[in-house]
Amino acid sequence: AQTVTQSQPEMSVQEAETVTLSCTYDTSENNYYLFWYKQPPSRQMILVIRQEAYKQQNATENRFSVNFQKAAKSFSLKISDSQLGDTAMYFCAINDYKLSFGAGTTVTVRA
Amino acid sequence: DTAVSQTPKYLVTQMGNDKSIKCEQNLGHDTMYWYKQDSKKFLKIMFSYNNKELIINETVPNRFSPKSPDKAHLNLHINSLELGDSAVYFCASSQVLVAGLDADEQFFGPGTRLTVL
Repeated sequence: AQTVTQSQPEMSVQEAETVTLSCTYDTSENNYYLFWYKQPPSRQMILVIRQEAYKQQNATENRFSVNFQKAAKSFSLKISDSQLGDTAMYFCAINDYKLSFGAGTTVTVRA
Repeated sequence: DTAVSQTPKYLVTQMGNDKSIKCEQNLGHDTMYWYKQDSKKFLKIMFSYNNKELIINETVPNRFSPKSPDKAHLNLHINSLELGDSAVYFCASSQVLVAGLDADEQFFGPGTRLTVL
């Protein structure tokens, strides 16, 4: 059974628009951490944002924000004011005792 | 000032050969990892070491053997390479290992693309 599910294989967004990537996860732990990583064509894995499960407040990092719904085990990522440099594959991940990744969502920002 | 470095970046070899990928981190982290990213971009943990001690060993063939000479290095040796071993291998490091503790960000190396012919 997959621990992290990303249901959108691909998303396309116009520059300056907003796009939301969905992620659901499964864990039996009460204390865990959630991450969104970005992998551009260079293949370098870059941390975008992280969320501690015990914090109710949604994390934000500049144009990136999350909607964390613990009861629903949902952790979506919103990219606001999309830029061409945001074009990449985005991975949702949970760390409850090891880091487990979703299958990824390819985001293409159109000029 | 590369935080996590891997060598080589590309590795092309014949089936049946033995090869190694080296990883070094200069962040002073205690924990290091190896991940495999397959052709569909799916990333999966293979091993983790904490202070040179093996902590996580996922269901990986025993042809894969990690070796940690010190906590700044975690090398991956692969014996009798098979076609299915073709993938991108990522090394990563973090300050702490999650076990009810604060989970630090994992810093990833640039990856090694292994192609087995």
